[in-house]
Amino acid sequence: KAGVTQTPRYLIKTRGQQVTLSCSPISGHRSVSWYQQTPGQGLQFLFEYFSETQRNKGNFPGRFSGRQFSNSRSEMNVSTLELGDSALYLCASSFSTGKALLDTEAFFGQGTRLTVV
Amino acid sequence: EDKVVQSPLSLVVHEGDTVTLNCSYEVTNFRSLLWYKQEKKAPTFLFMLTSSGIEKKSGRLSSILDKKELFSILNITATQTGDSAVYLCAVDSGGGADGLTFGKGTHLIIQP
Repeated sequence: KAGVTQTPRYLIKTRGQQVTLSCSPISGHRSVSWYQQTPGQGLQFLFEYFSETQRNKGNFPGRFSGRQFSNSRSEMNVSTLELGDSALYLCASSFSTGKALLDTEAFFGQGTRLTVV
Repeated sequence: EDKVVQSPLSLVVHEGDTVTLNCSYEVTNFRSLLWYKQEKKAPTFLFMLTSSGIEKKSGRLSSILDKKELFSILNITATQTGDSAVYLCAVDSGGGADGLTFGKGTHLIIQP
């Protein structure tokens, strides 16, 4: 079956702009989580959506937001981009029963490499 | 704040060697520990551990969890150059602001 698909793969934006990243989970998976990966901080949790509702949120500023659609596809939006937002953004999907963040393993997409100049 | 610490941060060995990667954690509400291999971009799932003392095995890779001492190890035997990657350990503490908490990873290089 198809894996987790993230688009676009690469993106270059200027400071102050906004950006929207997309993630299509594995068919049947209802939980989608987003992560930011930078060389200095490693992988950090942004938020998790389950059945169109944000279920968990990491410690990122309000400029980072997301949503999930009825088909479980998710988008992440970053407004007023800063240079420090340059990172690899990964999304992961899992077949969550809804009771907890992770009932089974999470599968990652290839990521979107965002560069802010 | 949940914390996951991996060691060593980097490791260079020769093909055929056996390596042991370490992951220790400190979380408020442990649910599971996961190992991932990251070569270029997408971390690929290796193991999910929830019970202490039960070894999970897949080919040359194996992993075990010690919930009393709060650590896990990932073993790779008869290493091959294709095992070169960053190995990530993550802990699921059941949600909240931490989601999956990842360690910084161990960068493993296998020399021919």
